[in-house]
Amino acid sequence: SQQGEEDPQALSIQEGENATMNCSYKTSINNLQWYRQNSGRGLVHLILIRSNEREKHSGRLRVTLDTSKKSSSLLITASRAADTASYFCAHSPVSYGNNRLAFGKGNQVVVIP
Amino acid sequence: EPEVTQTPSHQVTQMGQEVILRCVPISNHLYFYWYRQILGQKVEFLVSFYNNEISEKSEIFDDRFSVERPDGSNFTLKIRSTKLEDSAMYFCASSVPRDKETQYFGPGTRLLVL
Repeated sequence: SQQGEEDPQALSIQEGENATMNCSYKTSINNLQWYRQNSGRGLVHLILIRSNEREKHSGRLRVTLDTSKKSSSLLITASRAADTASYFCAHSPVSYGNNRLAFGKGNQVVVIP
Repeated sequence: EPEVTQTPSHQVTQMGQEVILRCVPISNHLYFYWYRQILGQKVEFLVSFYNNEISEKSEIFDDRFSVERPDGSNFTLKIRSTKLEDSAMYFCASSVPRDKETQYFGPGTRLLVL
């Protein structure tokens, strides 16, 4: 399968703590992206990291990519109640060009106020 | 901020009927996509569309499925002879040529086939 897999799948933390999620994939990729989905809503693009990048920051988000291990992590620092959502990684397999994203199952993150 | 919109938000249909799901991509976007998410499962790619033709489609996108850009703003997904297993959340997405890797998703249409 070319689908990514996140680990852990459910995370409950106190507001102010950091949340870390991991994702693995099985093929060569062009890039990997993280999306957020609030309950019953659409997918919101958070950050994209290219295959030649190792780390990227955007606000309170930090993404790492290890292509040798075919894995990525998303760190949310100083979490807020509004960060409660499901987080998905999605990768763009080289074999598919840039036209399709392969999503993982997602991490449910609950931030307790 | 521009958004992808989708209508309807919910659709209930009888097995065997045809449904049309509608999407309005962000106005300057030229790449369009459909994905679906069966309840509790991963988001799955269905099809990508550019320059009025399908660029790529997955094995899910069988001959019951079709896409169309009937005018300059709408992008539709038609499912003929619906099956129970078509029940899912269907997401439309779009992207710009200079950054087509970053796909912007709509809120989805929840389709229930009875």
